[in-house]
Amino acid sequence: GAVVSQHPSWVICKSGTSVKIECRSLDFQATTMFWYRQFPKQSLMLMATSNEGSKATYEQGVEKDKFLINHASLTLSTLTVTSAHPEDSSFYICSATGTSGRPSYEQYFGPGTRLTVT
Amino acid sequence: DAKTTQPPSMDCAEGRAANLPCNHSTISGNEYVYWYRQIHSQGPQYIIHGLKNNETNEMASLIITEDRKSSTLILPHATLRDTAVYYCIVSNSGYALNFGKGTSLLVTP
Repeated sequence: GAVVSQHPSWVICKSGTSVKIECRSLDFQATTMFWYRQFPKQSLMLMATSNEGSKATYEQGVEKDKFLINHASLTLSTLTVTSAHPEDSSFYICSATGTSGRPSYEQYFGPGTRLTVT
Repeated sequence: DAKTTQPPSMDCAEGRAANLPCNHSTISGNEYVYWYRQIHSQGPQYIIHGLKNNETNEMASLIITEDRKSSTLILPHATLRDTAVYYCIVSNSGYALNFGKGTSLLVTP
């Protein structure tokens, strides 16, 4: 069954508002979580890497002040899109790799969150 | 991460084997070959991975050439539910995955 959940599965917000997306590992401790986004008809693009208790590492071109990532526990990471604009509309997907209970080579992906900014 | 090259699309008849090729000529010695698939509007699903040896699990088989410069994912009896985009990725274990464009597999009745 699914081992990584995301909430919400979809969200519509107005331009200028902030949106928080949660990513949870349900049956293992995720030492590292990754955040990707996917625009229509494109592949997944890595946004940032998040290690529990540490600041996230952002990919080039991703604004860390706009996409706030918190990984405060081994089972939860959050992505907050601040002051969202229509161009932030995308499919946001998290993945996790962990320690106890799961092989470290395998990344487990969440079902994704569809964000639409109007 | 090494880059991979996959055909953009393939068709396969239901019940037949689907053989998806991938070239990764610049793979380094400690990088694994991973295969994931993504069904429309869902998160990617892990299929299989390997380092040097051929691998088989309940979903698929992975054939890696001896020089490790290419591999083939085999779905032995494709079903309509196998229609998806298949990504071949080379990466070190535990690192972020660099998704290319993948192969869009269409399984037809």
